[in-house]
Amino acid sequence: EVQLVESGGGLVQPGGSLRLSCAASGFTSSNYWMNWFRQTPGKGLEWVAHIHPHGSQIYYVDSVKGRFTISRDNAKNSAYLQMDSLRAEDTAVYYCARSPHTRASDYWGQGTLVTVSS
Amino acid sequence: DIQMTQSPSSLSASVGDRVAITCRASQGISKYLAWYQQKPGKVPELLIDAVSTLQSGVPSRFSGSGSGTDFTLSISSLQPEDVATYYCLGYASGPTWTFGQGTKVEI
Repeated sequence: EVQLVESGGGLVQPGGSLRLSCAASGFTSSNYWMNWFRQTPGKGLEWVAHIHPHGSQIYYVDSVKGRFTISRDNAKNSAYLQMDSLRAEDTAVYYCARSPHTRASDYWGQGTLVTVSS
Repeated sequence: DIQMTQSPSSLSASVGDRVAITCRASQGISKYLAWYQQKPGKVPELLIDAVSTLQSGVPSRFSGSGSGTDFTLSISSLQPEDVATYYCLGYASGPTWTFGQGTKVEI
């Protein structure tokens, strides 16, 4: 059974940092792009970043460029999102997901809440 | 960056009605269009990928169509369990992905 489990969310002050982790199981993560999405409470979905199966390509939404860093460790079947210089507008539920090459994300985790507030 | 414009933002229909949700891309996205369903308090679920490929387990009353810049999600006979918010996603092999604003479907 495919499972994605996020961890690392919590409350952080503006300007602070958090590192989200995504533990994958039930599939070989090195065969898939790994994605991060977010959703502000009561609002729509936003794609944040994704990383090639072997890390050779990485893309970010403009609003997080220079502040967030996506990475992966295929040996650990895990993906990560390092979030620095956090702002109030980064407050959201963050989801990790996998996507086959040239396809949309087919499995999502349950999400982890990040709250940026003083 | 590609923009995705989804309409309507909400709709109310009766059980058994045919429902259509549209999504327009700001530039051609070929077949790279997916539809997600998000029920209240739940994680988004992939309904349709590559414009019209129904995911395993998704009822056949759901269908997708379109090409280039204009796409449609149709529900042939609305059921109570279809109450949800639906999102289109324009994606491409690599660069940025963009969701539509969402359509809230109510009975």
